[in-house]
Amino acid sequence: GAGVSQSPSNKVTEKGKDVELRCDPISGHTALYWYRQSLGQGLEFLIYFQGNSAPDKSGLPSDRFSAERTGGSVSTLTIQRTQQEDSAVYLCASSLAGHQPQHFGDGTRLSIL
Amino acid sequence: QKEVEQDPGPLSVPEGAIVSLNCTYSNSAFQYFMWYRQYSRKGPELLMYTYSSGNKEDGRFTAQVDKSSKYISLFIRDSQPSDSATYLCAMTSGTGFQKLVFGTGTRLLVSP
Repeated sequence: GAGVSQSPSNKVTEKGKDVELRCDPISGHTALYWYRQSLGQGLEFLIYFQGNSAPDKSGLPSDRFSAERTGGSVSTLTIQRTQQEDSAVYLCASSLAGHQPQHFGDGTRLSIL
Repeated sequence: QKEVEQDPGPLSVPEGAIVSLNCTYSNSAFQYFMWYRQYSRKGPELLMYTYSSGNKEDGRFTAQVDKSSKYISLFIRDSQPSDSATYLCAMTSGTGFQKLVFGTGTRLLVSP
């Protein structure tokens, strides 16, 4: 009965470094989403995966951001050449299908020094 | 103007009070509405999920949707200190890809 698992829970890195954030969705969930939550802001959509379809990347803020989902399960969000404005909580969610409620992990708190 | 507006609070109430949390929205295509509760340093937890207009009740929680006014509410009866959290409304059009649009959240403080 595990929920959405994200790792690491916290990440501190220097400006200019690359980071990888991992999401392990609920077993059997075909849809996976990444959001970003900045201080005082609502959740900002980043990218969506549904089954074997091409991901919807319309929310990625720049080409420094990319994500992949291997085998329809685990997903990795990569941020290259990190900037201070990338500091935020990165949340992953999954759902049974695209129209079902989304269930969130506890996020990765990313701090760029 | 944001698609979804939500008062950030904080909203402070005594234990046992009835709490009313609200969101307004501008996109008439929205038809699925959700309320999430988020504790500090935790991910959002789904509380209520409703489709179109009407009411839905689950224990101490009641969600209301008024599509004609583009206004949704979450009522919490007999509020408890453990209800202290940030409450996020979210909504989507329900067509094709399910990008959720979130409010910024209302911080609720229930004092013993």
